[in-house]
Amino acid sequence: QSLLTQPPSASGTPGQRVVISCAGTSSNIGGNTVSWYQQLPGTAPTLLIYTNDQRSSGLPDRISGSKSGTSASLAISGLRSEDEAHYYCAAWDDSLKAVVFGGGTKLTVL
Amino acid sequence: QVPLQESGPGLVKPSETLSLTCSVSRGSISSYYWSWIRQTPGRGPQWIGYIYHSTGSKYNPSLKRRVTISLDTSKSQFSLNLTSVTAADTAVYYCARGSFAAGGMYSWFDPWGPGLLVTVSS
Repeated sequence: QSLLTQPPSASGTPGQRVVISCAGTSSNIGGNTVSWYQQLPGTAPTLLIYTNDQRSSGLPDRISGSKSGTSASLAISGLRSEDEAHYYCAAWDDSLKAVVFGGGTKLTVL
Repeated sequence: QVPLQESGPGLVKPSETLSLTCSVSRGSISSYYWSWIRQTPGRGPQWIGYIYHSTGSKYNPSLKRRVTISLDTSKSQFSLNLTSVTAADTAVYYCARGSFAAGGMYSWFDPWGPGLLVTVSS
């Protein structure tokens, strides 16, 4: 069981806005920054967001990240079929002294 | 050219040592926190550890007794050794360039290698 809790699935239709949540604790998200990764089928994860809300190079502004307290969110607006993938959040955990990842959310574009 | 590329055996026998190498083709290996991460099907990634040329290595406590990460700057490579493997160590292993600051307060991984499936089986 992951220390960072994500919903196992999310869905939306093309053009919609979808928000994926990542719930943590004071030892991870509460005191450290969050990064988000997209993983397309059969490929390695790629960085989307770092330091809670900073977009990686070339990432369109329809994808954004935010953090409040011990939770973080990834929002995708103007949903496209190519957004269909798994999404993972990650943060340093002060108690474990390790980077921890969420269990992942599979986003389906209907 | 792929910036990071894992290499090593895809099959390891139980109780033996898993040894992988990551070749870095872009940028200086004397910067950044070079990391290993693994992932089993249907689960989130698991951070194994990192090495930084001037401060050494840091490992996930859950694997610390069995893990060693080393750096060869002359070859622009870093390596992972995981001893006494069991079937639970079967996973896709990724190498990645990590950024860490303020004791982990700021951390992210970019880019990742394509990954290498390692199966532990006799």
